[in-house]
Amino acid sequence: QSVLTQPPSVSAAPGQKVTISCSGSSSNIGNNYVSWYQQLPGTAPKLLIYDNNKRPSGIPDRFSGSKSGTSATLGITGLQTGDEADYYCGTWDSRLSGVVFGGGTKLTVL
Amino acid sequence: EVQLVESGGGLVEPGGSLRLSCAASGFIFSGYNMNWVRQAPGKGLEWVSSIGGSGAYIYYADSVKGRFTISRDNAKNSLYVQMNSLRAEDTAVYYCVRDKDNTGTSHDYWGRGTLVTVSS
Repeated sequence: QSVLTQPPSVSAAPGQKVTISCSGSSSNIGNNYVSWYQQLPGTAPKLLIYDNNKRPSGIPDRFSGSKSGTSATLGITGLQTGDEADYYCGTWDSRLSGVVFGGGTKLTVL
Repeated sequence: EVQLVESGGGLVEPGGSLRLSCAASGFIFSGYNMNWVRQAPGKGLEWVSSIGGSGAYIYYADSVKGRFTISRDNAKNSLYVQMNSLRAEDTAVYYCVRDKDNTGTSHDYWGRGTLVTVSS
C-alpha cells in the first residue's frame, strides 16, 4: 500500500495526450515539491519532472507537471510508442521522515 | 559525467547478511544526500534509507529499521548498506540514488541496480 496513490494503468493512442494523477496528503504532496520518474522496461528510473513542474535538461516539453493542494498530475502530449513505460510520482513525507513514491502507473500507447 | 555503480548483490539465505556498495563519480559526493531505493520483482519503487552528505542524519523505512544500516565514506566516494536478518520480502533490485537538491523531494541520478535474492 503506497503512501501516494496513482492509477495502475492509463492508455491512449499515438499523438494523443494523457494525464497521470498522484494523490497524497498534507504531510507529503501538500507541503513538499513533487517529482515524476519514467521507468522503461528493464532500466532504472529516470527523473522527468522535479519541483512540481520543472524539467531536467534533455527532457522534452511534451512532459509537464502540475500540483494543486495534495494532488499532482503528470501530462504527456504527442504520445509516442517509446513513451510506453511505468511512471512514478515521489516526494518527501514530513510525518514519516522519508521519501515516498506512488505505486506506479503503466502507460500503454495503443 | 555522474555515475553510480552498485555491487554486492547476490543470493542469500533467510536470516543472512549482505553488504551492498555504491561507487560514485563525476560529482562532489560529500555535497549530496544519498539513498537506497529498492524494487521487488514486478513491483513498484520502495525507498529504503537516506543519509546526509556528512553522514550526520540518517533515515530508514519502517520495513528495514533495526535490520539495515546505511553508511558512507566520502574519502572513497562510496555509499553502503549493511543488510542483516534478511527476509524473503527483501528480495529486490537495490538502486543507489542521488538526492538532486538535498530536500528528499527529487532524485536525479540512479545506478543500474544490484539484485538481492533472499531464498533457501
